[in-house]
Amino acid sequence: QSALTQPPSTSGSPGQSVTISCTGTSSDIGNYNYVSWYQQHPGKAPKLIIYGVTKRPSGVPDRFSGSKSGNTASLTVSGLQAEDEADYYCSSYAGSDNFAVFGGGTKLTVL
Amino acid sequence: QITLKESGPTLVKPTQTLTLTCTYSGFSLSASGVGVGWIRQPPGKALEWLALIYWSDDKRYSPSLRSRLTITKDTSKNQVVLRMTNMDPVDTATYSCAHSRYSTKDFDYWGQGILVTVSS
Repeated sequence: QSALTQPPSTSGSPGQSVTISCTGTSSDIGNYNYVSWYQQHPGKAPKLIIYGVTKRPSGVPDRFSGSKSGNTASLTVSGLQAEDEADYYCSSYAGSDNFAVFGGGTKLTVL
Repeated sequence: QITLKESGPTLVKPTQTLTLTCTYSGFSLSASGVGVGWIRQPPGKALEWLALIYWSDDKRYSPSLRSRLTITKDTSKNQVVLRMTNMDPVDTATYSCAHSRYSTKDFDYWGQGILVTVSS
């Protein structure tokens, strides 16, 4: 069982927006602004798409955005495209003794 | 550009010790603020963070696996080594190393991963 809770799956049509939630506790998401999101296509390595709750690495489209409220972080993908179909994982820093905790992953299907 | 590549055995027997090597390029693990971590992913399952080593040689381990893990670095060879003792079939997974930034606590560059199967 993963430390952070994500919905197993979500879907949307091209052009629509979807939001993926990631729920933790006051020991991780609620206590630090170090939430990151990773996109993973089948058979590929994870790719960092959001860090520091809201920041996007260079080259990541601004269709991807992140936010946080209390113990829950969210990833929103706007203007869905076929290539956005992938697994998405959230992660949070959880203190010096537990550097990173991950969510169970959410499979995004573009209908 | 930053690249990382994992190497090691793809098949180990139960109770054996797994030793994996991460060979990196494009950055210095002697530079302030830099770290290299290990993450694993069982087939069809979620990511799990295992260990992290910083430029300062400060080391961090997953609390649930701390007793079985050792992470070391050899900056002269641009390598980070992970040892995991007492391997079990439930440890079957793709093991990946990744570049980390102290300032943002994330993994911004990943290796391709190596699938390790634990079976007799």
